[in-house]
Amino acid sequence: DIQMTQSPSTLSASIGDRVTITCRASQSINSWLAWYQQKPGKAPNLLISKASTLESGVPSRFSGSGSGTEFTLTISGLQPDDFATYYCQQYNRYSPTFGQGTKVEIK
Amino acid sequence: QVQLQESGPRQVKPSETLSLNCTISGGSIRSKYWSWIRQSAGRGLEWIGRIDSTGSIGYNPSLKSRVTMSVDTSKNQFSLKLTSVTAADTAMYFCAGEGTMAMIPPNWFDPWGQGTLVTVSS
Repeated sequence: DIQMTQSPSTLSASIGDRVTITCRASQSINSWLAWYQQKPGKAPNLLISKASTLESGVPSRFSGSGSGTEFTLTISGLQPDDFATYYCQQYNRYSPTFGQGTKVEIK
Repeated sequence: QVQLQESGPRQVKPSETLSLNCTISGGSIRSKYWSWIRQSAGRGLEWIGRIDSTGSIGYNPSLKSRVTMSVDTSKNQFSLKLTSVTAADTAMYFCAGEGTMAMIPPNWFDPWGQGTLVTVSS
């Protein structure tokens, strides 16, 4: 399996902050990476596919970048609705695998 | 839009078989691959397996010996069976669409069902 490692595990930030979450793959996954947002008691919601393609309806303050083994999710101007846990997921080959999550908390 | 709903027993005894169904509404089962994913505090998000409307299947190698998935196109529904369960199988189980039929798996997951918490306990 391809292992996905996110950092940090928890992030404390304030409204309006620029927030960056990193996801590293144990081997190259080209750009086959998705990002999800999950709120308590809900299913994950797809934000970004193919490392940087914003899904329909997702606010433009979310952006993704990277290729190979290192990827980032950036939230430019954190909003109250953005406090949640974020997961990366590789879909390059074999079984799809997820990172362990990054919880974005209110500072 | 496409919506998914999981159904099945919420409690299963150790060594027995966990059985869940996922019913698709607002879209055709022929439009996507369909997956089961589970989430627990200990294992995080774990992909279990996928199926398409033809019955073509892929399983996570770590669970392959215990998993069976099936599809019922007449009901727009697909199913999961996990045998010989233990406490380690206690988790929130989600069904989800995976990519589209134009995309070779693996893919991203969208949409997701709301999830169903299954507890393994005697």
